[in-house]
Amino acid sequence: GAGVSQSPSNKVTEKGKDVELRCDPISGHTALYWYRQSLGQGLEFLIYFQGNSAPDKSGLPSDRFSAERTGGSVSTLTIQRTQQEDSAVYLCASSDRGRETQYFGPGTRLLVL
Amino acid sequence: QKEVEQNSGPLSVPEGAIASLNCTYSDRGSQSFFWYRQYSGKSPELIMFIYSNGDKEDGRFTAQLNKASQYVSLLIRDSQPSDSATYLCAVNVKGGSEKLVFGKGTKLTVNP
Repeated sequence: GAGVSQSPSNKVTEKGKDVELRCDPISGHTALYWYRQSLGQGLEFLIYFQGNSAPDKSGLPSDRFSAERTGGSVSTLTIQRTQQEDSAVYLCASSDRGRETQYFGPGTRLLVL
Repeated sequence: QKEVEQNSGPLSVPEGAIASLNCTYSDRGSQSFFWYRQYSGKSPELIMFIYSNGDKEDGRFTAQLNKASQYVSLLIRDSQPSDSATYLCAVNVKGGSEKLVFGKGTKLTVNP
């Protein structure tokens, strides 16, 4: 079946611009995660959606970052007024439940010039 | 702060050898443990998961869990150059929302 999909695969933007990254999880998965991975670094947790519960936003690095999940499916991560340090790969993952196996999408490579 | 610790490596082994990757975690309540493999420039992919103390084998891979010592490991037998990648340990943690916490990964190089 279809895996997690993300778009765009690559995004180049200028400092100060807003960007939106999209994640389409595996159908039926209730949990959705966003991570950030800078070059050569580990996964940095950003935000976690589980069903209809309030999202866990504890990993968002600043108020420039926000995310929503519409209809319990597709999620959009928005970064406002992008900075060069936002350059990274943004990975989305989904799972059937919060503690179960996460399946990752291919990621969006963001470059802020 | 719930922590998952891994040696960053790099770990270098010759082809055909056993590679041993280790991970410790701080949350005694953790119940689910995962190993992911991440090739350079790619997203993580699941290798194995383990829930119970002891060993779990899948082909050339064996996951070992010791909850008393808060330790989980991954053994790769008959290592191949294609096993060269970064291996991420992930552990579920409770408190607030229950979610997985990832270690920073161990980079493995298998030399032909």
